Amino acid sequence: DAKTTQPTSMDCAEGRAANLPCNHSTISGNEYVYWYRQIHSQGPQYIIHGLKNNETNEMASLIITEDRKSSTLILPHATLRDTAVYYCIVRVVGNAGNMLTFGGGTRLMVKP
Amino acid sequence: NAGVTQTPKFRVLKTGQSMTLLCAQDMNHEYMYWYRQDPGMGLRLIHYSVGEGTTAKGEVPDGYNVSRLKKQNFLLGLESAAPSQTSVYFCASSYSLRANTQYFGPGTRLTVL
Repeated sequence: DAKTTQPTSMDCAEGRAANLPCNHSTISGNEYVYWYRQIHSQGPQYIIHGLKNNETNEMASLIITEDRKSSTLILPHATLRDTAVYYCIVRVVGNAGNMLTFGGGTRLMVKP
Repeated sequence: NAGVTQTPKFRVLKTGQSMTLLCAQDMNHEYMYWYRQDPGMGLRLIHYSVGEGTTAKGEVPDGYNVSRLKKQNFLLGLESAAPSQTSVYFCASSYSLRANTQYFGPGTRLTVL
């Protein structure tokens, strides 16, 4: 799996968009970008994933650069409940064992 | 639709005691996983199952056993608990091996004294 680099922490004002970057310069052609988050004392929660096209769902948008070496998770209107650690994971679909490897992640603090 | 549930939520054991953690999912998922998370660290895969009656070792399987007798349930057993097994245990499930979209339970906080 390709290595990812994320900022350690970020702040965002409530109601504003939160833009969380992730660098994955060694990503290969068959690797997807996944985003999960973990709110304190809870299990990780899947947010979104994509291969090369931008994706949007009810939780967030995922913007992947054309060269696929970086991506940005966008929470359009952050709320206090979005305070969590956000993990960017790059994986090949169908990897044996299907183990998710969570790195350090970005600790997002949404402030009133 | 409860998703993934885990019982118990909390447990305190003495060294050498045994216990079983239960994970249940109602999404008809084929794949189920047990992870542990130590303070300030990421998840580490203990064991996983690709279907009813099958199990496989993950990254840190020593000291744990698992069983998948029914598709919806995945049990994690500690035969002789050790303080090093103090952790938060998360169960997860996914639809298929091709899906890296895993759905996690709320966790079980285990302390071994």
